[in-house]
Amino acid sequence: DIQMTQSPSSLSASVGDRVTITCQASQDISNNLNWYQQKPGRAPNLLLFDASNLHPGVPSRFSGSGSGTHFTFTISSLQPEDVATYYCQHYDNVPPKFTFGPGTKVEI
Amino acid sequence: VQMVESGGGVVQPEGSLRLSCAASGFNFGIFGIHWVRQAPGKGLEWVAVIWDDGSQDYYSDSVKGRFTISRDNSKNTVYLQMNNLRPEDTALYYCARPSPRHHYVRGAFHIWGQGTMVTVSS
Repeated sequence: DIQMTQSPSSLSASVGDRVTITCQASQDISNNLNWYQQKPGRAPNLLLFDASNLHPGVPSRFSGSGSGTHFTFTISSLQPEDVATYYCQHYDNVPPKFTFGPGTKVEI
Repeated sequence: VQMVESGGGVVQPEGSLRLSCAASGFNFGIFGIHWVRQAPGKGLEWVAVIWDDGSQDYYSDSVKGRFTISRDNSKNTVYLQMNNLRPEDTALYYCARPSPRHHYVRGAFHIWGQGTMVTVSS
């Protein structure tokens, strides 16, 4: 089974800072990776799919890159409303299987 | 567009529970539907998916053989039958619909319900 890791597990940054989270897969997953934001007490919110595609309605300060085993998620200018836990998610097509990373908690 | 889960509660180990996910505001029958759970204070875990027409279903290894996902497209509802429940199944259970921008069945999870809590305890 493919394992997903994220680093750091948590971070604290200031408003306006550039924040970067990495997601590592235990084997090549091409660009089969999505990113979600989950605010406390809320359901997750889809931010990016296929590693770098911004979902409609998501602010452009969020971006993603990478392929293979190493992926990066970036908030270009951290805002107070970005306080949340961020999860990467790998998806397999055959058979369908979806694996979340452990999450990165972002605080201000 | 919304999805509303129900059916959660407290159940004893080895007991059973059936969750429901009622969808509205979109063409339900063309989307696959997923169940995702989150144990208290923990991360997200995918549980199961059912194809748009109900012809295929897939499960995580942790629930395979104990949980069954099904759907009734005439009622815009997906179900999760959970049998032989274990304490480690205690979690908030979400149903989720993929984004059509990605894939109607296997795509990234765009629409989520608010979740229904399942507690397995004696």
